[in-house]
Amino acid sequence: DTGVSQDPRHKITKRGQNVTFRCDPISEHNRLYWYRQTLGQGPEFLTYFQNEAQLEKSRLLSDRFSAERPKGSFSTLEIQRTEQGDSAMYLCASSFPNPTDTQYFGPGTRLTVL
Amino acid sequence: AQSVTQPDIHITVSEGASLELRCNYSYGATPYLFWYVQSPGQGLQLLLKYFSGDTLVQGIKGFEAEFKRSQSSFNLRKPSVHWSDAAEYFCAVVGAYSGGGADGLTFGKGTHLIIQP
Repeated sequence: DTGVSQDPRHKITKRGQNVTFRCDPISEHNRLYWYRQTLGQGPEFLTYFQNEAQLEKSRLLSDRFSAERPKGSFSTLEIQRTEQGDSAMYLCASSFPNPTDTQYFGPGTRLTVL
Repeated sequence: AQSVTQPDIHITVSEGASLELRCNYSYGATPYLFWYVQSPGQGLQLLLKYFSGDTLVQGIKGFEAEFKRSQSSFNLRKPSVHWSDAAEYFCAVVGAYSGGGADGLTFGKGTHLIIQP
């Protein structure tokens, strides 16, 4: 399967703990996006990378959130000192570089903060 | 700032009946518009997209959508729905947004489609 993969699929953590999620994009894609989706809402843009460069960050991405894509391939999203409000589905997508290019989404990582 | 409105939170349609899901957008320039479908436990899948040319676009699974600039709408249609079409449908626009992300998608809140036998 050459689609976008995310790991883990589910994560349960206690408030105050740090968590890290991984996204492996489609190999030919140089753009990688992170979104967050809460219950009953559409996905909300968090940040994106072109190759290893992080080009944009949403105001939703507080200082507790950090994303990396060190070699322009896979990416990690870390949340420090998790809060209950961080509970959501975290989605990763990848694409070629043009805005009209389709963003292909992974299955998501569901985070539950107790 | 751009935005997407999907006025219908839930829609119930009988199997075999026609379907129209509404989407209105707000964006200052020519928008790039998308419809995605999300089934339980599945990732978002692109149904179709519009960025220029013919305002009636065809997608996968028998779906089509029409871009109407005068109404700022991009409604999704299907002439005859199947039980497998039951899912969450999201309209999205890409472009400059309030957070500055030029190419991040801005999604609507989604429409939950229920198919009655």
